[in-house]
Amino acid sequence: QVHLVQSGAEVRKPGASVKVSCKASGYTFTTYYIHWVRQAPGQGLEWMGIINPNGGTTTYAQKFQGRVTMTRDTSTSTLYMELSSLRSDDTALYYCARERAAPAWSGFDIWGQGTMVTVS
Amino acid sequence: SYVLAQPPSVSVAPGQTARISCGGNNIGSKSVHWYQQKAGQAPVLVVYDVRDRPSGIPERFSGSSSGNTATLTISRVEAGDEADYYCQVWDSSGERVFGGGTKLTVL
Repeated sequence: QVHLVQSGAEVRKPGASVKVSCKASGYTFTTYYIHWVRQAPGQGLEWMGIINPNGGTTTYAQKFQGRVTMTRDTSTSTLYMELSSLRSDDTALYYCARERAAPAWSGFDIWGQGTMVTVS
Repeated sequence: SYVLAQPPSVSVAPGQTARISCGGNNIGSKSVHWYQQKAGQAPVLVVYDVRDRPSGIPERFSGSSSGNTATLTISRVEAGDEADYYCQVWDSSGERVFGGGTKLTVL
């Protein structure tokens, strides 16, 4: 079975950084891109960026440029999203989600369970 | 950046048809995906590339798109369809964009 399993909830103070992990299993790690999406309490979905596990290239949403870093460890099939200079409005549920790129982008078909990050 | 507009809420009686719109400039030329998010759960892909359904998604869910509006149609609505629904596209800069979401209430 295909799974994306994320790390547990985090609490940080303003100005600090947080690193969330997302471990993939049940499929070939390098054949699906991984996105990071967040959802503030009671709000909608917000796209943060994408990483290609095959090579590690990234594209970040303009809003998060300079504050977000997405990486991967192919030896453990794990993706990471680090967000720095945290503010109270970064309090949100952070999701990883996969998407196939070939033959065409096909939507985020598998999501992690989400990681709650609280900045206070 | 590209903006997607969804109605905040749609209400429908059981057994009827729900239509959720997603407005965007020339969205008819883009690949549109739709997600269902039930309370306390992660989103689920229900329609991809405008009108295709992932395996396991009932045929009651369908999509269409033309001009400046994409539409998710849910036929024979059931109580279990009550959820938030989000449209999503890939804009020209490579960024993904979500609509603001529509809360579907089953009366």
